[in-house]
Amino acid sequence: DSGVTQTPKHLITATGQRVTLRCSPRSGDLSVYWYQQSLDQGLQFLIQYYNGEERAKGNILERFSAQQFPDLHSELNLSSLELGDSALYFCASSASSGLRKEQFFGPGTRLTVL
Amino acid sequence: DQQVKQNSPSLSVQEGRISILNCDYTNSMFDYFLWYKKYPAEGPTFLISISSIKDKNEDGRFTVFLNKSAKHLSLHIVPSQPGDSAVYFCAASLSSNTGKLIFGQGTTLQVKP
Repeated sequence: DSGVTQTPKHLITATGQRVTLRCSPRSGDLSVYWYQQSLDQGLQFLIQYYNGEERAKGNILERFSAQQFPDLHSELNLSSLELGDSALYFCASSASSGLRKEQFFGPGTRLTVL
Repeated sequence: DQQVKQNSPSLSVQEGRISILNCDYTNSMFDYFLWYKKYPAEGPTFLISISSIKDKNEDGRFTVFLNKSAKHLSLHIVPSQPGDSAVYFCAASLSSNTGKLIFGQGTTLQVKP
């Protein structure tokens, strides 16, 4: 158990809809990262938040947005969903600073868009 | 542009033998490298990491080697066990204040009893 929790575990929805994925980081971790893993692909970095503020952006679509709340949990919002958005979405967290850059991943949310 | 590449989609090894998983990268600004293991229906689990100032890091049965001149790293598992069967991802981090990781495509390791 990494200490990172994600809900829901599975999500099935229709094209055009909007969903929210939730993540709670490990206790004490200030950084939260979101990654997308499409079928048989590596993990693609979407966005990072650090202590409530956006720190880095990757290949995140404009239809997607995220935020980190004062209690450090994070939400990833996906709107106007398309079939191609079907994927595993992982959240990870890490310690705030230091030379070590290990990230600890949650179990993921499997999104299926029909 | 695939900055981190794992050219072998799969690897099969006999129990007790050595497993060697390889990873190549193109960006010389990467300063930290990590290996993750992933079982189906679970998130990636951190295994071992190495800073670019080192060329070897060992943790139990797992050793990571880094060859900066060749932009190549490898993960050695000795001895391999059936429970090691999983998908292995290498990842790299740039020398910046963000910690985003750039992942390879993964190698599926099968350890046969």
